[in-house]
Amino acid sequence: KQEVTQIPAALSVPEGENLVLNCSFTDSAIYNLQWFRQDPGKGLTSLLLIQSSQREQTSGRLNASLDKSSGRSTLYIAASQPGDSATYLCAVRGLVGNQFYFGTGTSLTVIP
Amino acid sequence: EPEVTQTPSHQVTQMGQEVILRCVPISNHLYFYWYRQILGQKVEFLVSFYNNEISEKSEIFDDQFSVERPDGSNFTLKIRSTKLEDSAMYFCASMAGGPVTEAFFGQGTRLTVV
Repeated sequence: KQEVTQIPAALSVPEGENLVLNCSFTDSAIYNLQWFRQDPGKGLTSLLLIQSSQREQTSGRLNASLDKSSGRSTLYIAASQPGDSATYLCAVRGLVGNQFYFGTGTSLTVIP
Repeated sequence: EPEVTQTPSHQVTQMGQEVILRCVPISNHLYFYWYRQILGQKVEFLVSFYNNEISEKSEIFDDQFSVERPDGSNFTLKIRSTKLEDSAMYFCASMAGGPVTEAFFGQGTRLTVV
């Protein structure tokens, strides 16, 4: 069964710093990987979708990379802002079955 | 921008009662899902629905759970006899096409069973 791990579990940085969130998964047979943002008590907002054939995707200050063979993805956030404070979840969609497997998330706090 | 809408945002129910959680997926999307997140735990898959039938379900989705698409817009999750351990945030998601397309999630329904 696919296992998804996110490191670190929590991260606190001063405003303006660049940062990297890590996601690893055990089974490389995936369609894609999607990064989400979750604010406390709220839903999941899609940030980036990266297909298994892609190496990276960019949206504004966010850049996600994917190394399928090693089972890793990173989410790079440039010039962090207090509004970036949230929990970031990665989820992989396997080739078998039709579901996402989620990580436990990284809780990010950006200090003004 | 199109979005997945869930109602209610919060529901409190007594143990043993039936609850229905409602979702309006994005128009023209074909694949629908329910996930849940128990406080402090991972988001877990419950069920996927395509072409008016369940395409996959997890071991969590037992006989107490059912899903329906009663009309062209709504997608519902029913829990027949709620247990304390059903307390969680329930998320609905929809996708336009197959597994390579982006999934969009609703804001969730927080279910509290007392």
